[in-house]
This record gives sequence, C-alpha cells and structure tokens, in this order.
Amino acid sequence: DGGITQSPKYLFRKEGQNVTLSCEQNLNHDAMYWYRQDPGQGLRLIYYSQIVNDFQKGDIAEGYSVSREKKESFPLTVTSAQKNPTAFYLCASSIPAGVSDTQYFGPGTRLTVL
Amino acid sequence: AQSVAQPEDQVNVAEGNPLTVKCTYSVSGNPYLFWYVQYPNRGLQFLLKYITGDNLVKGSYGFEAEFNKSQTSFHLKKPSALVSDSALYFCAVDTGRRALTFGSGTRLQVQP
Repeated sequence: DGGITQSPKYLFRKEGQNVTLSCEQNLNHDAMYWYRQDPGQGLRLIYYSQIVNDFQKGDIAEGYSVSREKKESFPLTVTSAQKNPTAFYLCASSIPAGVSDTQYFGPGTRLTVL
Repeated sequence: AQSVAQPEDQVNVAEGNPLTVKCTYSVSGNPYLFWYVQYPNRGLQFLLKYITGDNLVKGSYGFEAEFNKSQTSFHLKKPSALVSDSALYFCAVDTGRRALTFGSGTRLQVQP
C-alpha cells in the first residue's frame, strides 16, 4: 500500500521542548516538502528537499530544522525557538515531471503546545 | 513575489447546481496552477493542474478549471454539485522553484 505516512497524528508539547515530526514515503519520490497550516490561512512552506542530503528553506523556516539522510524520510524538528508552533503540519512528496511537479500529501500531524 | 488570492472564504450552492470557486494569481513568469481539496483533519488531495496548452483543464471527480491569462484567473468549476463536494478548496501556484504558494482556501458548502 503506497503512500505518505506522518506520525504521530496528534502531538502535544510543553513550551521549551523540541519535538520531531515524522514523514515517510514509499512512492520513490525524489522531492519532499513540509508545510504548516493555520486556521483561515493557506499552507505555508517551511522546508523542502529536492534530493537526498540537500534541502532549502521555505517561507517560514525560522524555528524549524530538517534532515534528509534517506530518500524516503524527511523529519521535521520544531524547536523551542518557534514562537507559535501550534498548527497542523503537512508533509508532501513529488517526482520530477517537467516544469512543475504534482505534490502528494500525507494525512498531517496536529501539534499543540500546552 | 508570487501570490494567489481566493477572494471568497465560503461558497454556498445547492446540490445539482453549478459551482465556481474563484482564484486569481500574481506571478512574474509563467504560472503553473493547481487545485487541491481538503476534507476535515485530512491531507490535501490533488484535483487538477494547468501547465500549458488548452485553457480548460479537466480533473478528478468531475471538476474542471479555466485558465484566463488576461484576467490572471484560474477558477474551479463543476457543472452539478454534490453534497459530498463540501470541503476546503485550495488554489496554488508554482513558478518553477518546485514548491507551491497556496491561497487562503475557500470552504464549499453544498446544501441538499
């Protein structure tokens, strides 16, 4: 059963703690992405990676970090430097297909800071 | 900078009637435009995209979108709405950096 999995579905964090959100795909896609979704706003790009061992900052990278050591995995760490981390986090992946790639999304992780 | 606007927070339509969800864009180069749908507490599902060619793009679940370069618009349409179409719809644009810029979303409510 191919697809993108994100875990956990719900995550609670105390202020000052770092947390890591998991994103795994078995679609053999080269590119992976992290987005943040807040109520009433569209998705905003945090980080993206076009290839293993390489990644770029998106529009709202401050307070977040990523790694891309394996093609199928792209974990996101929300650090204590992120001032307002409560949000719905979505991971996506794509395969190069011309000038613009279709991204396929995981089911998301809802992070709540207590 | 590229941007996408969805001017309506919510669209209400009766089942069986045609629906339109509006999207306008602002980019400096060629726009590559997408529509996605999101059901509650779920990830986004791809509906359709415009890269080049025919201005009318057909996608999943009977949806289509019309690319209008002069009006910088990419409105999503469906001839006959279903109650099950009720969801949050996002327009997005990519100008070649291979990452998407999303609009704020439009909630579609289809009444029986």
